[in-house]
Amino acid sequence: GAGVSQSPRYKVAKRGQDVALRCDPISGHVSLFWYQQALGQGPEFLTYFQNEAQLDKSGLPSDRFFAERPEGSVSTLKIQRTQQEDSAVYLCASSSRNRGNEKLFFGSGTQLSVL
Amino acid sequence: KQEVTQIPAALSVPEGENLVLNCSFTDSAIYNLQWFRQDPGKGLTSLLLIQSSQREQTSGRLNASLDKSSGRSTLYIAASQPGDSATYLCAVEYSGGGADGLTFGKGTHLIIQP
Repeated sequence: GAGVSQSPRYKVAKRGQDVALRCDPISGHVSLFWYQQALGQGPEFLTYFQNEAQLDKSGLPSDRFFAERPEGSVSTLKIQRTQQEDSAVYLCASSSRNRGNEKLFFGSGTQLSVL
Repeated sequence: KQEVTQIPAALSVPEGENLVLNCSFTDSAIYNLQWFRQDPGKGLTSLLLIQSSQREQTSGRLNASLDKSSGRSTLYIAASQPGDSATYLCAVEYSGGGADGLTFGKGTHLIIQP
C-alpha cells in the first residue's frame, strides 16, 4: 500500500482481556518498529524487527507484551491480560534500510483503552 | 541513557510570524536527529532528518539545525500559517549501544492563530 496501515484504529478492552494489534508496513520495507505513546508524551520504543528477525525487544514493558513478524512483512503486537496502564496509542513505523539514517514512516496508530 | 527535551512545551503565535522550536539531547553519540509533525489522532510525519555529520537541513519554510557537540537542535518555521498547527516532535537515533529505535522528546504543541 501507499503507507503504513494499522488496525484496528480503536480498541476498547476489559482489564484482563488479550488484544492483538496489526501493522502492515510499506511494501518492501525491511525495518519495522513498534512504539507506545501515552497521552501528552512522546512515543517510546517497544521493539524492532529487521525482516522477520526481532533484533531488539528491550522496550517491551513486561512479558505480557509479545510481537511477531513471521514472514517479514505484517507484524502483530499482542498484549496479554491487559491492564489499565497499557492504555495508550500504539504506533508502528517502517523504513527501507537495515538500520537508521533513513526516514521512518509511521502509521496512524491503534488507540487502546483498557477499562 | 539518552534523554531528549523540547522547549517550549506549548506555543501560540499569530499567523505570519517566524518561530523557533528547541530540542536538546544528553548524549552526543547519535546517528541522526529527526523532526516530526503529529496532528491530533494521527501518526507522525517526518519533516527533516539531519545526519550526525550535517549541520542543517531545509525543506520549504522549514529549516532544522544540529549542533551535536552541544546536544542541541532547532526547528525554524518561517512565515507561519494556521496549517502549521500541530505537535512537533524531535527524536534522536542513539549510536552508543543499547536499544534500537528513536528516543523522542515530549513535543512542542504549536498553535498558529489566524
